[in-house]
Amino acid sequence: KQEVTQIPAALSVPEGENLVLNCSFTDSAIYNLQWFRQDPGKGLTSLLLIQSSQREQTSGRLNASLDKSSGRSTLYIAASQPGDSATYLCAPLGAGSYQLTFGKGTKLSVIP
Amino acid sequence: EAQVTQNPRYLITVTGKKLTVTCSQNMNHEYMSWYRQDPGLGLRQIYYSMNVEVTDKGDVPEGYKVSRKEKRNFPLILESPSPNQTSLYFCASSFGGLYNEQFFGPGTRLTVL
Repeated sequence: KQEVTQIPAALSVPEGENLVLNCSFTDSAIYNLQWFRQDPGKGLTSLLLIQSSQREQTSGRLNASLDKSSGRSTLYIAASQPGDSATYLCAPLGAGSYQLTFGKGTKLSVIP
Repeated sequence: EAQVTQNPRYLITVTGKKLTVTCSQNMNHEYMSWYRQDPGLGLRQIYYSMNVEVTDKGDVPEGYKVSRKEKRNFPLILESPSPNQTSLYFCASSFGGLYNEQFFGPGTRLTVL
């Protein structure tokens, strides 16, 4: 069964810093991987979706990479802002599966 | 506006009183699913539906029922709620199964006393 780990569980950085969030998964046979953002008391918002054939996806200040063979994905946030404060979750989709497996997330705080 | 809506957003009820949480999407998505989110356990899938009249169990289906009679709606039914079903519930949908971006509803916070 797929297991997803996100380290660190919480991260606090000063505004303007570049940062990397990590996601590792045990079963490398995945179809895609999504990164989500969750604000307190709210639903999840999809940030980036990387297909298994891709190495990277970019959206604005966000860049997600995928190394399927090593079971790792990273989310890079450039020039962090207080508005980036949220919990970030990754979720790989196993090949042949009908459900996403979520990590427990990294809670990011960007200090002004 | 493309969105997934859930109702109610907040609900406090008592053990054994049947309830339904509605989920509706206006994007003509085939795939819909329900999750619950609990501290320390993360998001866990309850049920999912690949299309109308096609539903299947997720990881934690016990105590829940679903139906998919229309493409846009996917209600979650708790026939006899218990305190261990106190949780934050999310509905999600996507086009063409799980191969595309998932859209989540705003969540329903349920407390069962």
